[in-house]
Amino acid sequence: EIVLTQSPGTLSLSPGERATLSCRASQSVSSSYLAWYQQKPGQAPRLLIYGASSRATGIPDRFSGSGSGTDFTLTISRLEPEDFAVYYCQQYGSSPMTFGQGTKVEIK
Amino acid sequence: EVQLVESGGGLVQPGGSLRLSCSASGFTFSSYAMHWVRQAPGKGLEYVSAISSNGGSTYYADSVKGRFTISRDNSKNTLYLQMSSLRAEDTAVYYCVRSSGYRAYYYYMDVWGKGTTVTVSS
Repeated sequence: EIVLTQSPGTLSLSPGERATLSCRASQSVSSSYLAWYQQKPGQAPRLLIYGASSRATGIPDRFSGSGSGTDFTLTISRLEPEDFAVYYCQQYGSSPMTFGQGTKVEIK
Repeated sequence: EVQLVESGGGLVQPGGSLRLSCSASGFTFSSYAMHWVRQAPGKGLEYVSAISSNGGSTYYADSVKGRFTISRDNSKNTLYLQMSSLRAEDTAVYYCVRSSGYRAYYYYMDVWGKGTTVTVSS
């Protein structure tokens, strides 16, 4: 099983600042089958990024994904008030699918 | 509009059974693999089970293998999760999720339902 470790656990930032979230895999994630999801309180997760770096439909370009192999990054270039949420990475290329434990981006 | 609506959650005693349903609309249900993902209170996301578009392939997390059964009825645009021998640790919100392709693996999860809550308690 591929274990995904996200860091930091919590990121305290102000609106307008840049957020950098890390997702590290215990084994190489084949063909960059890596996605990022955003979840706000009381809501279902929403797909942000797939294939490590492709933005999902309707996702603003301030969200970007990068990385390959075992190290992946989600960057939010300038935080908007609606971006404060929990973010999860997920690998979907190896059985079983696994999620990271999440990074909470909170208002400083 | 693409929509997934879960139902069937509720309170059940340990050792009991429950069947979740997910009604799909706004897309050709039979063309997409489907998943169940759960989230325990205050915790992260956990993959539960998946099924290919034609129902020919199914996958389960080790934590539910032998107790849960995923199935689908493409004529009714409905996904199911039959849960038995339920435990307290199965308490969670269960999300129905669409795969972006016909296979469960190698395709990301692109549409999520709002979830249905399952509580296992005496």
